[in-house]
Amino acid sequence: GAGVSQSPSNKVTEKGKDVELRCDPISGHTALYWYRQSLGQGLEFLIYFQGNSAPDKSGLPSDRFSAERTGGSVSTLTIQRTQQEDSAVYLCASSRGQQLMNTEAFFGQGTRLTVV
Amino acid sequence: QKEVEQNSGPLSVPEGAIASLNCTYSDRGSQSFFWYRQYSGKSPELIMFIYSNGDKEDGRFTAQLNKASQYVSLLIRDSQPSDSATYLCAVNKDNFNKFYFGSGTKLNVKP
Repeated sequence: GAGVSQSPSNKVTEKGKDVELRCDPISGHTALYWYRQSLGQGLEFLIYFQGNSAPDKSGLPSDRFSAERTGGSVSTLTIQRTQQEDSAVYLCASSRGQQLMNTEAFFGQGTRLTVV
Repeated sequence: QKEVEQNSGPLSVPEGAIASLNCTYSDRGSQSFFWYRQYSGKSPELIMFIYSNGDKEDGRFTAQLNKASQYVSLLIRDSQPSDSATYLCAVNKDNFNKFYFGSGTKLNVKP
């Protein structure tokens, strides 16, 4: 696609339910990032995928959070047993996984998750 | 220690003034440096990147890099109210172009 695509754009869920957020990166981008941004706050790193390497999961806040990336393309972030503090905008970004000085990361429009 | 540090602000400047946004990074191996702008409710978008010591100018924006001091800054000349946003500093430092973002500085330009 032309850009990073995320779905759904908005999600309202009841506390305790599981949710899945989807990210479709730019074609050919091997690096994919998930970030979380609470209202008025900065980006909080969650997880990083690069090609076939083991993902960097160091930012996942708890074991309720998991992510996978199938076929090196689409990624799904899953939050189990959602809590109200999980309410935030979840941003996905992708970039070329190569040592190119001027390669930027491109962001999707985000999924706004509200846990009620 | 965070990879990238920014003052969260808010930084308030009057219209027409120079806004100076600063960022420090922890790893001397960092190779490329990026400034992103994020309007409220929107996703971050790239303004500039820099990878050589010194200044890089693009219109009203100037990025400054000092690798010895591990310091990156963004100057916005003739600030406009439309420049009001959160500015995110990012670095990447490894062979796979992994990005590390700061938490952002909120800029308010007052008319």
